[in-house]
Amino acid sequence: DAGVTQSPTHLIKTRGQQVTLRCSPKSGHDTVSWYQQALGQGPQFIFQYYEEEERQRGNFPDRFSGHQFPNYSSELNVNALLLGDSALYLCASSLGGPSGMRHNEQFFGPGTRLTVL
Amino acid sequence: DAKTTQPPSMDCAEGRAANLPCNHSTISGNEYVYWYRQIHSQGPQYIIHGLKNNETNEMASLIITEDRKSSTLILPHATLRDTAVYYCIVRVAHGGSQGNLIFGKGTKLSVKP
Repeated sequence: DAGVTQSPTHLIKTRGQQVTLRCSPKSGHDTVSWYQQALGQGPQFIFQYYEEEERQRGNFPDRFSGHQFPNYSSELNVNALLLGDSALYLCASSLGGPSGMRHNEQFFGPGTRLTVL
Repeated sequence: DAKTTQPPSMDCAEGRAANLPCNHSTISGNEYVYWYRQIHSQGPQYIIHGLKNNETNEMASLIITEDRKSSTLILPHATLRDTAVYYCIVRVAHGGSQGNLIFGKGTKLSVKP
């Protein structure tokens, strides 16, 4: 049973560039959430996708956008990269969207390490 | 902001019980206590959750005080592989916050031989 997978594992970009990160949820899951984790900090919620729509969003600017595909996989796009966007980007999958099953724990992928120079 | 307070770091001897405290004095009646851990270079991993009763699973035990203002995660026989950052999170079980785990800085647990 494949868990959550993310690609690429590492990425280096320069300021002003755009980046796309990818996530495939755990088998059987239909909901994908994205988190940003700066060095030494806990993960911070970016947004959640369910039924191909953004359902919830954290306190992130609209430079951060996403997409969910019919097969439930998801992309995170960041435009006009800033040095402060350097972080570990984590994808988590679950079942049933914002109103899903109770105690539906999220399964996290290994993350994509983004470095902005 | 996170609704929990945890010590930044703790040490534990291998084979001994690790007791990780968490303060959540503003917890609401419909909020559960969840614990996740993050081993270096991996994504967070769910450990356990509870409302007011003590809970136990194959990974750990969760002890919640009667007033629910604090809790303790217990790893009964810590191993070197339990070295990780442990996050205590309070959230409602379902509804609008389903997608939103609010992480603090957690407790860095170091298990030593």
